[in-house]
Amino acid sequence: EADIYQTPRYLVIGTGKKITLECSQTMGHDKMYWYQQDPGMELHLIHYSYGVNSTEKGDLSSESTVSRIRTEHFPLTLESARPSHTSQYLCASSERATAYEQYFGPGTRLTVT
Amino acid sequence: AQSVTQPDIHITVSEGASLELRCNYSYGATPYLFWYVQSPGQGLQLLLKYFSGDTLVQGIKGFEAEFKRSQSSFNLRKPSVHWSDAAEYFCAVGPPDSNYQLIWGAGTKLIIKP
Repeated sequence: EADIYQTPRYLVIGTGKKITLECSQTMGHDKMYWYQQDPGMELHLIHYSYGVNSTEKGDLSSESTVSRIRTEHFPLTLESARPSHTSQYLCASSERATAYEQYFGPGTRLTVT
Repeated sequence: AQSVTQPDIHITVSEGASLELRCNYSYGATPYLFWYVQSPGQGLQLLLKYFSGDTLVQGIKGFEAEFKRSQSSFNLRKPSVHWSDAAEYFCAVGPPDSNYQLIWGAGTKLIIKP
Protein backbone atom coordinates (compact mmCIF):
# COMPACT_ATOMS: atom_id res chain seq x y z
CA GLU A 1 0.00 0.00 0.00
CA ALA A 2 1.38 3.36 -1.02
CA ASP A 3 1.95 5.94 1.68
CA ILE A 4 0.84 9.21 0.22
CA TYR A 5 -1.43 11.50 2.13
CA GLN A 6 -3.57 14.45 1.26
CA THR A 7 -5.30 16.91 3.57
CA PRO A 8 -7.94 18.06 3.77
CA ARG A 9 -10.04 15.40 2.06
CA TYR A 10 -12.93 17.81 1.57
CA LEU A 11 -12.90 21.61 1.62
CA VAL A 12 -15.71 24.10 1.08
CA ILE A 13 -14.49 27.67 0.97
CA GLY A 14 -15.67 31.08 -0.14
CA THR A 15 -14.49 33.03 -3.16
CA GLY A 16 -11.32 35.03 -2.63
CA LYS A 17 -9.87 32.90 0.15
CA LYS A 18 -6.33 31.63 0.07
CA ILE A 19 -6.03 27.85 0.39
CA THR A 20 -3.25 25.31 0.58
CA LEU A 21 -3.77 21.66 -0.24
CA GLU A 22 -1.27 19.43 1.49
CA CYS A 23 0.43 16.36 0.03
CA SER A 24 3.01 14.22 1.74
CA GLN A 25 4.64 10.91 0.88
CA THR A 26 6.81 8.68 3.03
CA MET A 27 8.34 6.60 0.22
CA GLY A 28 11.25 8.90 -0.55
CA HIS A 29 10.08 9.35 -4.13
CA ASP A 30 11.83 12.01 -6.18
CA LYS A 31 8.95 12.84 -8.49
CA MET A 32 5.64 14.30 -7.38
CA TYR A 33 2.61 15.44 -9.33
CA TRP A 34 -0.64 17.35 -8.95
CA TYR A 35 -3.60 16.43 -11.12
CA GLN A 36 -7.01 17.98 -11.52
CA GLN A 37 -9.88 15.53 -11.97
CA ASP A 38 -13.44 16.41 -12.97
CA PRO A 39 -16.28 13.87 -13.33
CA GLY A 40 -16.26 12.09 -16.67
CA MET A 41 -13.02 13.75 -17.72
CA GLU A 42 -9.46 12.63 -18.01
CA LEU A 43 -6.92 13.58 -15.37
CA HIS A 44 -5.01 16.73 -16.20
CA LEU A 45 -1.51 17.35 -14.94
CA ILE A 46 -1.23 20.83 -13.45
CA HIS A 47 2.16 20.69 -11.70
CA TYR A 48 5.05 18.31 -11.23
CA SER A 49 8.41 18.19 -9.53
CA TYR A 50 11.56 16.17 -10.14
CA GLY A 51 12.96 16.82 -6.70
CA VAL A 52 13.68 19.45 -4.09
CA ASN A 53 13.56 23.00 -5.49
CA SER A 54 12.28 21.71 -8.84
CA THR A 55 8.76 22.56 -10.01
CA GLU A 56 7.20 22.64 -13.47
CA LYS A 57 3.80 23.48 -14.88
CA GLY A 58 1.81 20.69 -16.48
CA ASP A 59 -0.29 20.62 -19.58
CA LEU A 60 -3.33 22.26 -17.97
CA SER A 61 -3.02 25.93 -17.21
CA SER A 62 -3.67 26.55 -13.55
CA GLU A 63 -3.70 29.59 -11.32
CA SER A 64 -2.29 27.51 -8.49
CA THR A 65 1.34 27.41 -7.39
CA VAL A 66 3.42 24.66 -5.79
CA SER A 67 6.62 24.37 -3.83
CA ARG A 68 9.04 21.54 -3.07
CA ILE A 69 11.23 22.44 -0.16
CA ARG A 70 11.37 18.90 1.23
CA THR A 71 11.36 15.63 -0.68
CA GLU A 72 8.29 14.35 1.09
CA HIS A 73 6.12 17.46 0.87
CA PHE A 74 4.49 19.05 -2.20
CA PRO A 75 1.79 21.57 -1.24
CA LEU A 76 -0.45 23.32 -3.75
CA THR A 77 -1.65 26.88 -3.08
CA LEU A 78 -4.44 28.96 -4.55
CA GLU A 79 -3.96 32.63 -3.62
CA SER A 80 -7.57 33.58 -4.35
CA ALA A 81 -10.06 30.78 -4.80
CA ARG A 82 -12.79 31.08 -7.43
CA PRO A 83 -15.79 28.87 -8.26
CA SER A 84 -13.95 27.73 -11.41
CA HIS A 85 -11.40 26.07 -9.10
CA THR A 86 -14.04 23.66 -7.85
CA SER A 87 -12.68 20.20 -8.65
CA GLN A 88 -10.93 17.16 -7.22
CA TYR A 89 -7.17 17.50 -6.81
CA LEU A 90 -5.03 14.36 -6.81
CA CYS A 91 -1.44 14.19 -5.67
CA ALA A 92 0.88 11.42 -6.87
CA SER A 93 4.50 10.40 -6.57
CA SER A 94 6.89 8.05 -8.32
CA GLU A 95 10.43 6.78 -8.14
CA ARG A 96 12.95 8.23 -10.56
CA ALA A 97 13.63 4.83 -12.15
CA THR A 98 9.98 3.86 -12.65
CA ALA A 99 8.45 7.26 -13.09
CA TYR A 100 5.44 6.08 -15.08
CA GLU A 101 4.28 4.00 -12.11
CA GLN A 102 2.63 6.65 -10.04
CA TYR A 103 1.20 6.24 -6.55
CA PHE A 104 -1.80 8.38 -5.77
CA GLY A 105 -3.19 9.97 -2.66
CA PRO A 106 -6.93 9.84 -1.90
CA GLY A 107 -7.55 13.32 -3.28
CA THR A 108 -8.95 16.61 -2.02
CA ARG A 109 -12.40 17.58 -3.20
CA LEU A 110 -12.54 21.37 -3.31
CA THR A 111 -15.73 23.39 -3.58
CA VAL A 112 -15.51 27.16 -3.92
CA THR A 113 -18.78 28.99 -3.27
CA ALA B 1 -2.14 15.10 -31.03
CA GLN B 2 -1.65 12.25 -28.61
CA SER B 3 -4.87 11.01 -27.03
CA VAL B 4 -6.47 8.12 -25.19
CA THR B 5 -10.06 7.07 -25.81
CA GLN B 6 -12.18 4.96 -23.53
CA PRO B 7 -15.38 4.61 -25.55
CA ASP B 8 -17.58 3.38 -22.70
CA ILE B 9 -18.49 5.87 -19.98
CA HIS B 10 -20.36 3.22 -18.00
CA ILE B 11 -20.47 -0.56 -18.19
CA THR B 12 -22.82 -2.77 -16.19
CA VAL B 13 -21.88 -6.40 -15.66
CA SER B 14 -23.43 -9.15 -13.57
CA GLU B 15 -21.33 -10.56 -10.78
CA GLY B 16 -19.47 -13.60 -12.05
CA ALA B 17 -19.64 -12.51 -15.68
CA SER B 18 -16.63 -11.65 -17.79
CA LEU B 19 -15.49 -8.10 -18.40
CA GLU B 20 -13.71 -6.22 -21.15
CA LEU B 21 -12.97 -2.50 -20.96
CA ARG B 22 -11.78 -0.83 -24.12
CA CYS B 23 -8.90 1.58 -24.56
CA ASN B 24 -7.57 3.05 -27.80
CA TYR B 25 -4.69 5.45 -28.12
CA SER B 26 -3.36 7.79 -30.74
CA TYR B 27 0.41 7.95 -30.93
CA GLY B 28 2.96 7.49 -33.70
CA ALA B 29 4.97 4.74 -32.05
CA THR B 30 4.26 2.22 -29.33
CA PRO B 31 3.94 4.00 -26.03
CA TYR B 32 4.03 2.57 -22.57
CA LEU B 33 0.52 1.54 -21.54
CA PHE B 34 -1.20 1.44 -18.17
CA TRP B 35 -4.48 0.67 -16.48
CA TYR B 36 -5.34 2.27 -13.14
CA VAL B 37 -8.38 1.70 -10.93
CA GLN B 38 -10.06 4.23 -8.66
CA SER B 39 -12.41 2.91 -6.00
CA PRO B 40 -14.95 5.34 -4.53
CA GLY B 41 -13.27 7.89 -2.28
CA GLN B 42 -9.82 6.52 -3.05
CA GLY B 43 -6.83 7.50 -5.12
CA LEU B 44 -5.84 5.67 -8.27
CA GLN B 45 -4.03 2.33 -8.04
CA LEU B 46 -1.91 0.79 -10.79
CA LEU B 47 -3.49 -2.44 -12.09
CA LEU B 48 -0.99 -3.38 -14.78
CA LYS B 49 1.45 -2.00 -17.29
CA TYR B 50 2.94 -2.81 -20.69
CA PHE B 51 6.39 -1.66 -21.72
CA SER B 52 7.46 -4.28 -24.28
CA GLY B 53 7.55 -8.04 -24.91
CA ASP B 54 4.58 -10.34 -24.38
CA THR B 55 1.48 -8.48 -25.49
CA LEU B 56 -0.70 -10.15 -22.86
CA VAL B 57 0.11 -8.74 -19.45
CA GLN B 58 -1.13 -9.86 -16.08
CA GLY B 59 -1.96 -7.48 -13.30
CA ILE B 60 -3.26 -7.43 -9.79
CA LYS B 61 -6.75 -8.52 -8.68
CA GLY B 62 -7.04 -11.06 -11.52
CA PHE B 63 -6.98 -8.50 -14.34
CA GLU B 64 -5.14 -8.84 -17.62
CA ALA B 65 -4.76 -6.65 -20.68
CA GLU B 66 -3.78 -7.29 -24.26
CA PHE B 67 -1.83 -4.87 -26.42
CA LYS B 68 -2.78 -4.96 -30.10
CA ARG B 69 -0.46 -2.79 -32.15
CA SER B 70 -2.57 -3.04 -35.32
CA GLN B 71 -5.59 -1.67 -33.48
CA SER B 72 -3.74 0.75 -31.19
CA SER B 73 -5.65 -0.84 -28.36
CA PHE B 74 -4.94 -2.00 -24.84
CA ASN B 75 -8.15 -3.60 -23.56
CA LEU B 76 -8.57 -4.70 -19.98
CA ARG B 77 -10.19 -8.04 -19.19
CA LYS B 78 -11.27 -10.13 -16.26
CA PRO B 79 -12.87 -13.57 -16.61
CA SER B 80 -15.21 -13.26 -13.62
CA VAL B 81 -15.98 -9.99 -11.86
CA HIS B 82 -16.66 -9.60 -8.17
CA TRP B 83 -18.80 -6.94 -6.50
CA SER B 84 -15.60 -5.40 -5.13
CA ASP B 85 -14.48 -4.63 -8.71
CA ALA B 86 -17.05 -1.83 -8.92
CA ALA B 87 -14.89 1.23 -9.51
CA GLU B 88 -13.71 3.59 -12.20
CA TYR B 89 -11.00 2.35 -14.53
CA PHE B 90 -8.55 4.63 -16.30
CA CYS B 91 -6.33 3.81 -19.23
CA ALA B 92 -3.16 5.87 -19.56
CA VAL B 93 -0.40 6.18 -22.10
CA GLY B 94 3.17 7.21 -21.48
CA PRO B 95 4.88 8.28 -24.69
CA PRO B 96 8.59 7.47 -24.27
CA ASP B 97 9.50 11.04 -25.18
CA SER B 98 7.03 12.61 -22.78
CA ASN B 99 9.38 13.07 -19.83
CA TYR B 100 7.32 10.58 -17.84
CA GLN B 101 4.08 12.44 -18.25
CA LEU B 102 0.99 10.28 -18.69
CA ILE B 103 -1.89 10.95 -21.04
CA TRP B 104 -5.16 9.79 -19.54
CA GLY B 105 -8.46 8.48 -20.81
CA ALA B 106 -11.69 9.82 -19.35
CA GLY B 107 -12.38 6.60 -17.46
CA THR B 108 -15.00 3.85 -17.54
CA LYS B 109 -17.26 3.37 -14.55
CA LEU B 110 -17.90 -0.30 -13.85
CA ILE B 111 -21.20 -1.18 -12.20
CA ILE B 112 -21.74 -4.70 -10.88
CA LYS B 113 -25.22 -6.19 -10.82
CA PRO B 114 -25.85 -8.71 -8.03
